[in-house]
Formats: sequence, C-alpha cells, structure tokens
Amino acid sequence: AQRVTQPEKLLSVFKGAPVELKCNYSYSGSPELFWYVQYSRQRLQLLLRHISRESIKGFTADLNKGETSFHLKKPFAQEEDSAMYYCALRSNSGGSNYKLTFGKGTLLTVNP
Amino acid sequence: DVKVTQSSRYLVKRTGEKVFLECVQDMDHENMFWYRQDPGLGLRLIYFSYDVKMKEKGDIPEGYSVSREKKERFSLILESASTNQTSMYLCASSLRGLAGAQEQYFGPGTRLTVT
Repeated sequence: AQRVTQPEKLLSVFKGAPVELKCNYSYSGSPELFWYVQYSRQRLQLLLRHISRESIKGFTADLNKGETSFHLKKPFAQEEDSAMYYCALRSNSGGSNYKLTFGKGTLLTVNP
Repeated sequence: DVKVTQSSRYLVKRTGEKVFLECVQDMDHENMFWYRQDPGLGLRLIYFSYDVKMKEKGDIPEGYSVSREKKERFSLILESASTNQTSMYLCASSLRGLAGAQEQYFGPGTRLTVT
C-alpha cells in the first residue's frame, strides 16, 4: 500500500530564511508526486508536480527515488508563503490510477 | 477557469439525519472525488468516480455513499449522520488524461457539524 509521510506538523521560519518541507513516500511502483497548498481561507490548489520540473513561487521539489523523498524547498521564505502544504502521491494501479494519497500536511508559518 | 462548487459552506445537522452534500464542476471533468479534511489527519479519500454512474471506495467509505447521475454532479450522502462525521468535506475534480491523474481542482469545502 502506498503511504505519504510528512514528519512535521508545524514549521516556523523567519522571513528570508530557507525553508524545507519534508515528504517521504512508500510505493512499490513508479511514483508521481505533487505538492498542494492551501492558503488561509482559500481553496486547496496544486503548487507543483515532479514531472514538470518547474519552480513555482520560488519553490522547487526534487524526486529522490533512492531516499524515497520529495522535499519542497525555497531559498528565501516570504510571509505570503504561510499556508498548509500537502504532499501527494498518485496511484497507478488499474482504475485507481486517478486518485491521490495525501500526507497529513505541514503548516508553515513565516514570521516577519 | 475550472470551477468546482459545493452546495453549502456551513451545515449543521442532528445525529441520525440523512445528509446530502452536493458538488458541481463546470469543466467536463471525468473524475470527481470526495475527501474529508481533519486537523492532524490531512485529506482522506472517501469515494471517487471516474465516470457517470461509476464509483469506487476510497480509504474511509464507511458511513457514506455517493451518487453520480450526471457528469458534472457528484453527491455525498451520509445515511445516518454521527458526531464523528463532523468535519470539513472537500470535493475535487480532474480530467482523466492519458497518463492517469491530472491536476485535481478543489471546491471551497463544506464544514459539517453533527450535533
């Protein structure tokens, strides 16, 4: 069974400091991984996906198959980055290859 | 812009009542999903549907059922609401796509309180 682990429930940094939100996964197949973000009083939305290899709002995430990790990083945090972040993994088994398994989330607070 | 709407933002029901949560998407997406979001537990999939009249159980289907009679609408039903079903309920939709899961677009959520 697949599993996504986000070891930190809460993460607090100061503005301008680097930030890393950790995500580890357990999956027997070839994974497809995502980061979703929910800002205060807004909808949950996709931040980035590993296959795109893009930087969104200064965030990047690299899939490390050896360490089964997909950590989200930003070199200089901004106050507007404060939000709940969820790591998610896509199943690719049969009719269930449309669903995502989410981690429990990390609440990031960027202090001024 | 993809729009996913949910029938209510806040709902208060009594134990034992039958509860209907409605979700509508306007982008002709094949897949629709119902999650519940609880602090410390993240998002947990209740049910999903990849076509009209098709449904599959997610990770926590007990106490819930769903209905998808039209492509744009996906309903979550609590047959007999209980206090442990007090939660935030999120609906989402996505295209099917050749590679499987595409981006999921979420609704604003329904905060259900069962008293």
